[in-house]
Amino acid sequence: KAGVTQTPRYLIKTRGQQVTLSCSPISGHRSVSWYQQTPGQGLQFLFEYFSETQRNKGNFPGRFSGRQFSNSRSEMNVSTLELGDSALYLCASSALQADGSPLHFGNGTRLTVT
Amino acid sequence: KNQVEQSPQSLIILEGKNCTLQCNYTVSPFSNLRWYKQDTGRGPVSLTIMTFSENTKSNGRYTATLDADTKQSSLHITASQLSDSASYICVVSATGGYNKLIFGAGTRLAVHP
Repeated sequence: KAGVTQTPRYLIKTRGQQVTLSCSPISGHRSVSWYQQTPGQGLQFLFEYFSETQRNKGNFPGRFSGRQFSNSRSEMNVSTLELGDSALYLCASSALQADGSPLHFGNGTRLTVT
Repeated sequence: KNQVEQSPQSLIILEGKNCTLQCNYTVSPFSNLRWYKQDTGRGPVSLTIMTFSENTKSNGRYTATLDADTKQSSLHITASQLSDSASYICVVSATGGYNKLIFGAGTRLAVHP
């Protein structure tokens, strides 16, 4: 089975621009969650989608949004980029939307905002 | 406040030696505790998931323990290999969904020949 695929792997954007990141989950997995990882804050939960519905949301501003399509693929959008948005953005998929479900992470998109 | 603290922050050991990483948490109500390994430039990979009733869980040379009374967990690595060089992240889940995942800052392990 193919793993979680995230595209692109690297992105360089300028302050004020917007960006869209893509995540293809493991086949059959219906839950997709997104995380931001920075050296200072570590891993932080952004949001989680299950069957095209956002079920959980972390403490991030409204500039961060996402969606999930009927094939479970998910996109994350960040508008009006700020320097502090530079981070590794990770997506994870799981078979069930339950606390104990193993999370399968992709290798992330490295976003640099200049 | 829900928190997960890991120690040490970083660790250097020689190949073939054992080591133990610590994770202390103040998360309530507790659901489960997970250990992940993250190689540089890659996403985290799950090592173990333990619920309240589980004291020990192994995955090859990795053995995790959980003491729910003292709210402590440890990850023991036996006969370390160069490929064990990575960050190890402890994640504690409170009941209630993904927004209840509390991540530790990780322990950076370097295994030297």
